[in-house]
Amino acid sequence: GNSVTQMEGPVTLSEEAFLTINCTYTATGYPSLFWYVQYPGEGLQLLLKATKADDKGSNKGFEATYRKETTSFHLEKGSVQVSDSAVYFCALSDHTGNQFYFGTGTSLTVIP
Amino acid sequence: DSGVTQTPKHLITATGQRVTLRCSPRSGDLSVYWYQQSLDQGLQFLIHYYNGEERAKGNILERFSAQQFPDLHSELNLSSLELGDSALYFCASRGQGVYYGYTFGSGTRLTVV
Repeated sequence: GNSVTQMEGPVTLSEEAFLTINCTYTATGYPSLFWYVQYPGEGLQLLLKATKADDKGSNKGFEATYRKETTSFHLEKGSVQVSDSAVYFCALSDHTGNQFYFGTGTSLTVIP
Repeated sequence: DSGVTQTPKHLITATGQRVTLRCSPRSGDLSVYWYQQSLDQGLQFLIHYYNGEERAKGNILERFSAQQFPDLHSELNLSSLELGDSALYFCASRGQGVYYGYTFGSGTRLTVV
């Protein structure tokens, strides 16, 4: 079956620190992979995506590379800001597109 | 504004009651997905409709039902409400093709008292 495993939170970092949030997946076939961000009181917003192996998704300084050999899609940012404080969800979509499979979310707090 | 509209934003109701949540997808999107988000369960997939047809069902209780109308808006009906149904209910729509991500609405916060 399909599933996504994310690193447990919460994560607290100082401003300008390096961020990594680990995500691994299990899927049949060739899924598309996504990172979503949820700010307090809001819905989920697409942060970045990758649709095939070795693709790198990037947006707003965040990056993630689709690694088929390690079934991973880790989220990274070189220098976090206070405004990056949010909950981050890793997700996959299988070839049918009938359902997204979400990780449990990782809460990030960035302190000045 | 994501283009996905959910109403109402907040709903407070008593146990045993029935409520209807409404979602209008982004213009041009044929797919609508419903998710429930609670603190202890995370994001739970409920149901997916594509152009009026049910395509996939997740952990949706028998007390819950949904439909997608010809104008593509969707409604999620929750009946015989229990305290445990209190959660955020999100609707998302998606462009055609499996490479597209979801676009989420801002959600309906349901509180059952």
